[in-house]
Amino acid sequence: ETGVTQSPTHLIKTRGQQVTLRCSSQSGHNTVSWYQQALGQGPQFIFQYYREEENGRGNFPPRFSGLQFPNYSSELNVNALELDDSALYLCASSRDSNQPQHFGDGTRLSIL
Amino acid sequence: KQEVTQIPAALSVPEGENLVLNCSFTDSAIYNLQWFRQDPGKGLTSLLLIQSSQREQTSGRLNASLDKSSGRSTLYIAASQPGDSATYLCAVRLNDYKLSFGAGTTVTVRA
Repeated sequence: ETGVTQSPTHLIKTRGQQVTLRCSSQSGHNTVSWYQQALGQGPQFIFQYYREEENGRGNFPPRFSGLQFPNYSSELNVNALELDDSALYLCASSRDSNQPQHFGDGTRLSIL
Repeated sequence: KQEVTQIPAALSVPEGENLVLNCSFTDSAIYNLQWFRQDPGKGLTSLLLIQSSQREQTSGRLNASLDKSSGRSTLYIAASQPGDSATYLCAVRLNDYKLSFGAGTTVTVRA
């Protein structure tokens, strides 16, 4: 039990649609990161938020955006969905960037 | 750009055998290295975190070593059990904010 919960667990969308994925972190975890994991691959870093500000971004286009809220919850938004966006999306939180990251069980997104 | 490689991609051993999982990385200027376990369709469970100043970490049957100069880490699992069957991922953190992952080693322990 990591204390990080993600919703929904599964989601099916079609090309061109928009999606919002949600994550609830442990109290006191000021840092939240989002990762995309394609089948058979390791997770790829999308971006990180610290105290509601984005403080790092991986090689993902601007249609991937996020928000972090004061209550330790966060969102990942993806616009104009493409087939290649099909993946497991993982949220990870930590007290700060020096501490181990604790992952949720992810949201499985399928694009038809 | 940090590249992380895990060899082998898959491993099958009989119960009771010791497991040796390898991880290599190209940029030795890492902040820390973390080993994770992932069960099918699930998220990641942190197993061990080794800071750059450390040589190894141990937790129960698990031991992880780190050799920064050669860009290598090894995860040892002693006396494997069927419940150890999973994918094991290593991730390195540079002096920034993100983790760079390998593709993982999928372990099957046969009863």
